[in-house]
Amino acid sequence: DSGVTQTPKHLITATGQRVTLRCSPRSGDLSVYWYQQSLDQGLQFLIQYYNGEERAKGNILERFSAQQFPDLHSELNLSSLELGDSALYFCASSGFSSGESSYNEQFFGPGTRLTVL
Amino acid sequence: EDQVTQSPEALRLQEGESSSLNCSYTVSGLRGLFWYRQDPGKGPEFLFTLYSAGEEKEKERLKATLTKKESFLHITAPKPEDSATYLCAVQGNDYKLSFGAGTTVTVRA
Repeated sequence: DSGVTQTPKHLITATGQRVTLRCSPRSGDLSVYWYQQSLDQGLQFLIQYYNGEERAKGNILERFSAQQFPDLHSELNLSSLELGDSALYFCASSGFSSGESSYNEQFFGPGTRLTVL
Repeated sequence: EDQVTQSPEALRLQEGESSSLNCSYTVSGLRGLFWYRQDPGKGPEFLFTLYSAGEEKEKERLKATLTKKESFLHITAPKPEDSATYLCAVQGNDYKLSFGAGTTVTVRA
């Protein structure tokens, strides 16, 4: 158990709909990352938040958005869903509390499997 | 753009048959190279971080090494429970993690 929790585990929805995925990081971790994993694309970095602020952005679509709340949990919002958005979505967290070290291992949650019909 | 290439795509081993997985990378300013293990339908599990060429790390039957252009994950005398997909990732100057496609290892008893 990595200590990172994600809800829900599974989500089935229709095209055009909007969903919200939730992530709680490990206790004490300030950084949260979101990734998308599909069969043909592998694990793709979407976005990172550090202590409530956006820190880095990857290949995140404009239809997707995220935020990190004061209690450090994060939500990933996916809107106008398309069939191609079906994938596993992972959240990871890491600790920056020791300073500006960037060498922090990311610990992944169990993921949310999104199916768009 | 940072790139990570893993080979082979799949590896079938007999129990006890040692082998190595390769991770070749190009990155703008390597801040760290990471190895993860992923079981089907589950989140990646952290294994190692390597920071500089020449560094080595070991954990049970796994040993990771790093050069300026590639990393190897050596599996010594594997057991069926070592069956999984092994992912390599690099972190560059932009702090983002770029993952390879992974090597799926199957160990037969």
